[in-house]
Amino acid sequence: EVQLVESGGGLVQPGGSLRLSCAASGFTFGSYAMSWVRQAPGKGLEWVSVIRGSGDITYYADSVKGRFTISRDNSKNTLFLQMNSLRAEDTAVYYCAKRRGFNGYDQPDFDYWGQGTLVTVST
Amino acid sequence: QSVLTQPPSASGTPGQRVTISCSGSRSNIGSNYVDWYQQLPGTAPKLLIYSNNQRPSGVPDRFSGSKSGTSASLAISGLQSEDEADYYCAAWDDSLNGVVFGGGTKLTVL
Repeated sequence: EVQLVESGGGLVQPGGSLRLSCAASGFTFGSYAMSWVRQAPGKGLEWVSVIRGSGDITYYADSVKGRFTISRDNSKNTLFLQMNSLRAEDTAVYYCAKRRGFNGYDQPDFDYWGQGTLVTVST
Repeated sequence: QSVLTQPPSASGTPGQRVTISCSGSRSNIGSNYVDWYQQLPGTAPKLLIYSNNQRPSGVPDRFSGSKSGTSASLAISGLQSEDEADYYCAAWDDSLNGVVFGGGTKLTVL
């Protein structure tokens, strides 16, 4: 059974940093691209970043480029999101999501999602 | 303002057929597949349709997707009360080099 479990969320002051983790199980982790998608309270879905299965290709939304870094450790089946210079507008539930398709990264067909972890940026 | 445009709301009565539209441009819907999600309150999104018109296993055939040019649609036939949820379209955007989502459509079953 595929499982994605996020952790690392919490309350942080503006300008601060957080590192989110997503522990994956039940599939060959290194064969699938993974994304982070966030949802601000009462708002819609916003894609944040994607990393290819091998970890060699990454892309970011303009809203986080230069501040967030996506990475993965395929030996530990774990996805990460390092978030620096956090702003109030980064407050959201952050989901990790697995691509359905094998090997590619440029399609948002996310067949499994974690439960989400809440990041709150506030004084 | 989302890159993909969806109506903010839609509604129908049980048994009815409803459609939700998603409008984009040549760099996203016009060049790539469209995927659709259903999100029930307080839960993670669920993949409903992928690659324009394909249903993952377990998704009822009441749900169908289509694409034409730079627009796509999600159709729900035989509307049921449990279909009341938010629906999102998504696609890769070749100009932005990233995923774009629609703003979401809140479906109400009257």
